Amino acid sequence: DQQVKQNSPSLSVQEGRISILNCDYTNSMFDYFLWYKKYPAEGPTFLISISSIKDKNEDGRFTVFLNKSAKHLSLHIVPSQPGDSAVYFCAATRTNAGKSTFGDGTTLTVKP
Amino acid sequence: EAQVTQNPRYLITVTGKKLTVTCSQNMNHEYMSWYRQDPGLGLRQIYYSMNVEVTDKGDVPEGYKVSRKEKRNFPLILESPSPNQTSLYFCASSPPGRGHRTEAFFGQGTRLTVV
Repeated sequence: DQQVKQNSPSLSVQEGRISILNCDYTNSMFDYFLWYKKYPAEGPTFLISISSIKDKNEDGRFTVFLNKSAKHLSLHIVPSQPGDSAVYFCAATRTNAGKSTFGDGTTLTVKP
Repeated sequence: EAQVTQNPRYLITVTGKKLTVTCSQNMNHEYMSWYRQDPGLGLRQIYYSMNVEVTDKGDVPEGYKVSRKEKRNFPLILESPSPNQTSLYFCASSPPGRGHRTEAFFGQGTRLTVV
């Protein structure tokens, strides 16, 4: 039972346009969500997070949207840059729980 | 420099030969965790530790052991490695936060091949 799903294995966008990465979850107990970016041969690095009490969190070019009723979150990157090309993982967790559940990842390619 | 350090970065071993992958963090984080990454399966949590002497199973703990005798170190032990444990392993630590809802800092990964 995969509780966190990223249904698009890959996404390709043109530089300067918007990138939208999607993530769905099934466990309604999740109350904190994070996005990580991973370059080849490196560990994932934290990008942005959102608590379930919010529906939007913004940090520079990155915005995460949470739709609790649909159990869906999305990461928007505007404008996209070639350096954003990486694998993006969404992750979900619960308050006071040690476990984190990650999606399969989406490979984003931003073309110059 | 604040970091999570894993060793070794690459390891090829034979089935059944016990091995340990070390993980150390210098940020005084309470929470540490191990993940494995496999093609098409994303990151799956193996074990985690919410503090010294406190460890618990993640989603895929079979075939692995951990220990947390001191805050900075969280080694991953494979007592009898098998080929299905060939994977890319990541150690991570997280700073204190409300209900442990904080971001994780990851090491650079250990690529393990069991033949």
